[in-house]
Amino acid sequence: DSGVTQTPKHLITATGQRVTLRCSPRSGDLSVYWYQQSLDQGLQFLIQYYNGEERAKGNILERFSAQQFPDLHSELNLSSLELGDSALYFCASSPNPGRETQYFGPGTRLLVL
Amino acid sequence: EDQVTQSPEALRLQEGESSSLNCSYTVSGLRGLFWYRQDPGKGPEFLFTLYSAGEEKEKERLKATLTKKESFLHITAPKPEDSATYLCAVPAEGSGLTFGEGTQLTVNP
Repeated sequence: DSGVTQTPKHLITATGQRVTLRCSPRSGDLSVYWYQQSLDQGLQFLIQYYNGEERAKGNILERFSAQQFPDLHSELNLSSLELGDSALYFCASSPNPGRETQYFGPGTRLLVL
Repeated sequence: EDQVTQSPEALRLQEGESSSLNCSYTVSGLRGLFWYRQDPGKGPEFLFTLYSAGEEKEKERLKATLTKKESFLHITAPKPEDSATYLCAVPAEGSGLTFGEGTQLTVNP
């Protein structure tokens, strides 16, 4: 158990809908990262937050957004969902941004029908 | 742009048959190299971090080594429970990790 929690574990929805994925980092970690893992793309970095502020963006679509709240939990919002958004979404956390080890949560499996 | 390439894509071993997995990387400046293990449908589980060429780290049957261009994950006398996908990754400057495609390891009893 990494100490990172994610909810829900599974999510089934329809095209065009909007969903919110939630992540609670390890106790004491200030940095949160979101990743997407699909069969054809592997693990792809989406976005990073540090102590409530957006720090870096990766391959995140404009339909996706995220935020980190004062209690340090983070939410990833996915809107106007398409079939191709079906994937595993992982959250990771580390004490600070940069070279430190990132610890991953168990993931949310999203299926868009 | 940072790049990470892993080989082989898949590896099938008999229990007790030692082998090595390769991770080649191209980065503008090495800020560390990470190894993770991932079981199907689960989140990546941290194994090792290496920061400088010549560094080695061990954990049970696994040993990770690092050179200036690649890293190896050596598996000694593997057991069926070592079956998983092994991922290596490098951190981008002020950003998230760039992952390789992984090596899917199967250890047969």
